[in-house]
Order: sequence, then C-alpha cells, then structure tokens
Amino acid sequence: SQQGEEDPQALSIQEGENATMNCSYKTSINNLQWYRQNSGRGLVHLILIRSNEREKHSGRLRVTLDTSKKSSSLLITASRAADTASYFCATGGRETSGSRLTFGEGTQLTVNP
Amino acid sequence: DGGITQSPKYLFRKEGQNVTLSCEQNLNHDAMYWYRQDPGQGLRLIYYSQIVNDFQKGDIAEGYSVSREKKESFPLTVTSAQKNPTAFYLCASSTGTAIYGYTFGSGTRLTVV
Repeated sequence: SQQGEEDPQALSIQEGENATMNCSYKTSINNLQWYRQNSGRGLVHLILIRSNEREKHSGRLRVTLDTSKKSSSLLITASRAADTASYFCATGGRETSGSRLTFGEGTQLTVNP
Repeated sequence: DGGITQSPKYLFRKEGQNVTLSCEQNLNHDAMYWYRQDPGQGLRLIYYSQIVNDFQKGDIAEGYSVSREKKESFPLTVTSAQKNPTAFYLCASSTGTAIYGYTFGSGTRLTVV
C-alpha cells in the first residue's frame, strides 16, 4: 500500500521560528491531509489539499503539494510552545476504495519557549 | 456536541483473553476505522467499514475482529490470536469520501499483563 514518509523524524525549534515538515508518497493520490497528535491523544485534522491544488493556507499553516515529485510540505509560521506535537501526513489514493487513508510515521515537533 | 467516543481509556488484558474496545460516533458518518499505533510509530489500519453490515480488512487484521451492526458503533475485539496486542488503539470516522478528513476518538491504551 502507498505510504507517506515524513521528514525529518524529529524537529526542535525556538518559539517564533517557522517549522517545515515534508511528506513523500509513492502512488497517485486524490488528496493529501495533515493531522496533529498531542501526546497520548487522538489525531486532529488540520488541512486537506486536493491533487489538483498546489498550495493551501489555514491560519498559520501553509501546505504545498507537488504531484510530479510526489511530495508535500507543511509550514507552521511563528511557532508557539503549544504547537509541540507529532504531525502526520495521510494520503487518499486513486486506486484505493472510498475513504481509506494511509498514514506516514510522523514528525515530532518540539517548540522550546 | 457531535463527536466520537472510545472506551475504556485504559484496558488490561490477561494472556489468552479476548477483549472488546468500544467506538461510538454521533456524527452521522458512514465510514469508520480502527488503527493501531505503537510507541513512536505511525498508524496502521486494522479494519474499516464504509457502510453498515460491511467491513474490510486493513493491513494488520490478523488477531482482530469487528462488527458494524449499527451506523453509530464499530467495536473492535482483540482476540487471543493477536500475539502482541499491547498498543494504542484509535478509532476514527468520516463521511463516505473523507473529503473533510477523519474525526478521531481519544484512544484506548491496551496493555497485556
């Protein structure tokens, strides 16, 4: 099955800096989604970008998608300590049925006050 | 408020026992999913259901069983055939196309004692 791979596995920055996380995948997709997980909790949906879109914004989040390179990036601007969490990309494939998503292994982001 | 509820939050299983994890949603979502998460890892799909009375195996279905008798409910049974069940289990739901992303429960942490 296709799988997103996040890079880096871990990222540590200072409050106020920007954080960039990358995701690569292997096969054609309908859409790519980003989720956030605080330690020991469920995941929270952040943003979805469709395969025919190149960039999308939501508040301090900016997502880009390059289908020719099979990659996406998530940028968090002006980071805060509360942004500390794991971030996962998930892909919905053209070949898979309906709503099934495949998740990557995540990037652990630590924002130091 | 609409949401998805998993219970219990913590569960302990003795060797050779079957245990059932509960997942209930009141979002009127057609699709429901079970994922397993091991420490520091991504999510792996166990089973999913896109409609009542129908479900499909995910990537790691061996040792697990599910039922979908009601739209609101998708319980997961971890059987004694699952040799390494200690993990964090996450339930999620979505519309049929998942175009708005998944809504996750807060998880059940299962430990074998």
